[in-house]
Amino acid sequence: QQQVKQSPQSLIVQKGGISIINCAYENTAFDYFPWYQQFPGKGPALLIAIRPDVSEKKEGRFTISFNKSAKQFSLHIMDSQPGDSATYFCAASTNTPGGTSYGKLTFGQGTILTVHP
Amino acid sequence: DSGVTQTPKHLITATGQRVTLRCSPRSGDLSVYWYQQSLDQGLQFLIQYYNGEERAKGNILERFSAQQFPDLHSELNLSSLELGDSALYFCASSVATASGVFYNEQFFGPGTRLTVL
Repeated sequence: QQQVKQSPQSLIVQKGGISIINCAYENTAFDYFPWYQQFPGKGPALLIAIRPDVSEKKEGRFTISFNKSAKQFSLHIMDSQPGDSATYFCAASTNTPGGTSYGKLTFGQGTILTVHP
Repeated sequence: DSGVTQTPKHLITATGQRVTLRCSPRSGDLSVYWYQQSLDQGLQFLIQYYNGEERAKGNILERFSAQQFPDLHSELNLSSLELGDSALYFCASSVATASGVFYNEQFFGPGTRLTVL
């Protein structure tokens, strides 16, 4: 019930290509879905986040697509650059006070993205 | 730079020992979260504090404990250390209103890498 499943585990794309990472969740109480970017030796950095009242959110080259009925969401990185090479984590939490997932983030297993120049 | 600071950056110790990890949240953030990152378990929520009080517990071992002080910094205490406790430990903070409503955006520190030999 608490899991967030992320795929693929690793992804290699060419510079200028589109990177797509997918996540699926089971807990319907989740209402906040962020993506984090982590470089080696660094902490996860908040990249972009979405709430289930919208189906898509775009910030620069990064877009989250959200499908509430399928309980899935994905990250699209357009015009991927070598500097985007990092590990990406999807996560989920609930903003409903009292729920077991309130506040805490449940993370997917991560996707190692490599962008070749 | 997220504004969350953690010390020390690296910690090497022996089995059976006890260590203390320290975290200072972003200025104004009342809520602090601790996460453990390991290769086999990924990023796992350990515990959350809000304004000095424990708010939520995750997969935290009984050998581990935490507290948040009046100046809002937090410490994670790990005792009777085992080889399997070797991991990255992250602290994150988020804004919370005075009534205890948490905003989901969590900002992570750079982490403490713990190595148990």
